[in-house]
Amino acid sequence: NAGVTQTPKFQVLKTGQSMTLQCAQDMNHNSMYWYRQDPGMGLRLIYYSASEGTTDKGEVPNGYNVSRLNKREFSLRLESAAPSQTSVYFCASSEAYPGDIQYFGAGTRLSVL
Amino acid sequence: QKEVEQNSGPLSVPEGAIASLNCTYSDRGSQSFFWYRQYSGKSPELIMSIYSNGDKEDGRFTAQLNKASQYVSLLIRDSQPSDSATYLCAVKTSYDKVIFGPGTSLSVIP
Repeated sequence: NAGVTQTPKFQVLKTGQSMTLQCAQDMNHNSMYWYRQDPGMGLRLIYYSASEGTTDKGEVPNGYNVSRLNKREFSLRLESAAPSQTSVYFCASSEAYPGDIQYFGAGTRLSVL
Repeated sequence: QKEVEQNSGPLSVPEGAIASLNCTYSDRGSQSFFWYRQYSGKSPELIMSIYSNGDKEDGRFTAQLNKASQYVSLLIRDSQPSDSATYLCAVKTSYDKVIFGPGTSLSVIP
């Protein structure tokens, strides 16, 4: 089992460019999450999907959009990247919301120049 | 007041010693508490969960919960260099959100 798979692992963007981070889980989990992690800030929730067909804002949603494509896949889109979005992004999933136990992907390291 | 607080560290302990990691939380109605370990450059992974007051032991790890004091801790006995990592405390609040603390960096010195 792969668990939670994120692509890409690394990305460098120029300010204003757009990109989509992909996430897929094979554990048949209902809930999925996108976090960003910055030094000293811990994990901050960007968006989550409690179940297929639903999405909600987390703590830091500005500048991001999400799509729950199906039960397995949850993507995060940056429409116009800004240097403040330089971070490590983690996708996670859990059986149910709000997710007692969350399983994380390997992360995407994003630099916006 | 931040919802979940941890000492940022770094916490340094010699190999074989007990490492004590602490976490406090602000929502008195919180019911579920988790410790995740994150190695440098890797993703967090769950190592312990605790739901009731008292101690819960799993191998060299012991989680301690005191809801009256709004305090949860993680003890690592016989610390090994392989325990060197950042430890994240997570709390499921009464308003149905899981909040992560900023993490404590632990370094076990051989």
